[in-house]
Amino acid sequence: EADIYQTPRYLVIGTGKKITLECSQTMGHDKMYWYQQDPGMELHLIHYSYGVNSTEKGDLSSESTVSRIRTEHFPLTLESARPSHTSQYLCASNRGAGQETQYFGPGTRLLVL
Amino acid sequence: KNQVEQSPQSLIILEGKNCTLQCNYTVSPFSNLRWYKQDTGRGPVSLTIMTFSENTKSNGRYTATLDADTKQSSLHITASQLSDSASYICVVSDRGSTLGRLYFGRGTQLTVWP
Repeated sequence: EADIYQTPRYLVIGTGKKITLECSQTMGHDKMYWYQQDPGMELHLIHYSYGVNSTEKGDLSSESTVSRIRTEHFPLTLESARPSHTSQYLCASNRGAGQETQYFGPGTRLLVL
Repeated sequence: KNQVEQSPQSLIILEGKNCTLQCNYTVSPFSNLRWYKQDTGRGPVSLTIMTFSENTKSNGRYTATLDADTKQSSLHITASQLSDSASYICVVSDRGSTLGRLYFGRGTQLTVWP
């Protein structure tokens, strides 16, 4: 079991609310990632980070933002949630060297009403 | 266009039976191929990883094969158990970037019935 955690696991929230999805890992990994996954669909990379103070947008355009102030934490924020943001959000991490296997957190299922 | 296609989309088998899941990819330049298992409501967990030179890799009852020439991979599950019920995702990485760009299939949803 990978030491990567996500909170909350489930979130139901109204339109227009600001939300932050937490992701933390205790493996000392430099690289961290956020993916969005709809039911029956593939994972799409929305953000990634090479290390502290490094953040990049992924392949799928997202209205969310991320920050990487500490190695262990990679929170994702939606300033104003909309029903189109309803999805599962998965956080992952791996070491900085090469193309090592990514370790995934359990995910956050978000429902925006 | 780099893509990963998996088949079947879903599969139901009886406990104790074997099954094989397929993955075709067009990712180039190829680096490696991973099979992940994703339980409902959980994040994916890596089962196997294969590079260009590897043809077969086993992990317990899971055996993955890779044919880099035809760009096909399979995941064979032997003597299935109820706990094998999950989505199995094929993930291909390219060599074109230091990020190790990953291309995900949509997964095969496997259900094992008692």
